[in-house]
Amino acid sequence: QVQLVQSGAELKKPGASMNVSCKASGYTFSGHYIHWVRQAPGRGLEWMGWINPKNGATNYAQTFQGWVTMTRDMSMNTAYMEVTRLKSDDTAVYFCARDLGDGYNYDAFDIWGQGTLVTVSA
Amino acid sequence: QSVLTQPPSVSGAPGQTVTISCTGSSANIGAGYDVNWYQHLPGTAPKLLIYGNFNRPSGVPDRFSGSKSGSSASLAIAGLQADDEADYSCQSYDGTLSDVVFGGGTKLTVL
Repeated sequence: QVQLVQSGAELKKPGASMNVSCKASGYTFSGHYIHWVRQAPGRGLEWMGWINPKNGATNYAQTFQGWVTMTRDMSMNTAYMEVTRLKSDDTAVYFCARDLGDGYNYDAFDIWGQGTLVTVSA
Repeated sequence: QSVLTQPPSVSGAPGQTVTISCTGSSANIGAGYDVNWYQHLPGTAPKLLIYGNFNRPSGVPDRFSGSKSGSSASLAIAGLQADDEADYSCQSYDGTLSDVVFGGGTKLTVL
């Protein structure tokens, strides 16, 4: 079946970097944009950006420009997100999500990864 | 502070209909960008309920319906069931920010 499976929980110290992976299966990986969304404790969902697996093009939310990098490995059908210079308020569950559009960016998310809890604490 | 505004909570008895509002501005919903709705429990993967303002993905019951008017959108849930108890979030695109934006989420309690 169509699914996204993310890497496991991480505990990081302030100032460190984190890297979350998102492995796709059950569909053509190059055919759908992958978005990243996070949810901090007690907060709403927050969009971080997208990557087009077909050509590697990215688009980051203004809030995250300069400290988030999204990449993909076509041979592994896997998307990655690196966040640098972590702060305590980056503690959140990070989700990857597949865009509904087939070959284009529709900005609706029909398949989600299970989420990766990242805790930033000294 | 979310760009899209939702009530923090709504409630209803089993069998009733509840409506959740999502208020934006001329930069997002009012500019004609589509609204999507998600159902989720805190920290768990959201589920797409409504896309393109009123379309349901396959498998979503027709008890869930979406509408849009001006700079606002609404999600209606008819025939409330106990397992409808969850958080509901709206999402659109903001042309001024050039970002995808979410509402802050609404917690639905089934009494």
